[in-house]
Formats: sequence, C-alpha cells, structure tokens
Amino acid sequence: ETGVTQTPRHLVMGMTNKKSLKCEQHLGHNAMYWYKQSAKKPLELMFVYNFKEQTENNSVPSRFSPECPNSSHLFLHLHTLQPEDSALYLCASSQRLGNEQYFGPGTRLTVT
Amino acid sequence: EDKVVQSPLSLVVHEGDTVTLNCSYEVTNFRSLLWYKQEKKAPTFLFMLTSSGIEKKSGRLSSILDKKELFSILNITATQTGDSAIYLCAVGFQGAQKLVFGQGTRLTINP
Repeated sequence: ETGVTQTPRHLVMGMTNKKSLKCEQHLGHNAMYWYKQSAKKPLELMFVYNFKEQTENNSVPSRFSPECPNSSHLFLHLHTLQPEDSALYLCASSQRLGNEQYFGPGTRLTVT
Repeated sequence: EDKVVQSPLSLVVHEGDTVTLNCSYEVTNFRSLLWYKQEKKAPTFLFMLTSSGIEKKSGRLSSILDKKELFSILNITATQTGDSAIYLCAVGFQGAQKLVFGQGTRLTINP
C-alpha cells in the first residue's frame, strides 16, 4: 500500500537532536493527521490539517512542531524530545474532515 | 470525557472459529464509528458505521452499530491465521475533526 508514505521508518535520536518526520499522501485527500501510538495506550491524535490549515492541536507539547506546506505533505519537526516521547508516529489522511482516514506505515521513534 | 472501550483486550482462538469483538462508547456529538485492522504498523480501514441496525459486510467480516445502546460489534467468521492483528475501534464527532480510539483487541488465530 503506497497511498500514504512516511519517512524515515525508524529513527533513533538523542534528547538534544533536531529531526523531522515526513508524510506524503498520494490519494488526493484534503485533510492530514498526526497520531502517536505508545505501548498499551490508544492511538492519540496530535494535529489535524485541513487544506493546509491547522484545525486541531490536541494539547501537544511545543517540542513537536507540525508543518503542512500543501495538502499532500505533512511534517513533524522534533526538538529536545524526552525518552517518554518514544513511540510509533502515524500519519493519516482523509478526503474530507470526518471521512474515514487512511494511515501510513508509521515512524518508530526512539529517544535516548 | 469521551470514552471508547473495546473488549476483550486479547483473544486467542483456533482457525475456523467465529469471533465477536466489542466496542462501546460514551461520547458527545457522535457522528460515526470506525473499525481498523492493525497488523504491523499501518492501521487499515475496515468499516465506517453511521446508522443503527444496518450491517456492513466485507467477505468474512461484518459489523453493526447500535446507537441506542452505544456499541458496535465486529464479527469474523471462519477465521484464518491472516486475521491475526490488533482490531481498533474509533469514534468520529459531529463538527470536529478528531477520532478517539479504543485500546484495541489483540486477536491471535492459531492454526
């Protein structure tokens, strides 16, 4: 499935590093999402973008900074992360807000 | 606080068995209930339900929603080892962009 792609697939970073996660959707959708999936916890919505505009920030710490340059691309910029930020970060897209979402394969992030 | 609760959290059955997974919810401004299958990383979309009592079916999988009792079930008949996965339930909201997910049910099908 190549509808939603994410890079890198795995990332190990120190607490003082700065890195970025990238998501690209090839489905012609207008809404994109970032989720965090930690062990034994439900998927948590982080950010929502609709037509490049951020419409939801689910009380995410400022060390996570999203960027949506167009409807097909979504980034998550990371800086001064904590070990508890280690998780699977999933990107998703939908045709419109409220429609079913299609997920990318995720980036497995480990903060050391 | 919006809640989505799935049960059981874990289920192990033999190939060929039929399983029923449950999802109950307590939310304001309900719009839809969605089921996803997560095998390795990316959850894949299965069903979206918005109306009570109308069964959605795809092969051996089917799902139905009860908006009065606030729950949904996902049935899988004649299970196969390839059905082993985590099954996620999520609720979508009127006038909001978010989905709230349950904890998931880890289903293991043994040959």
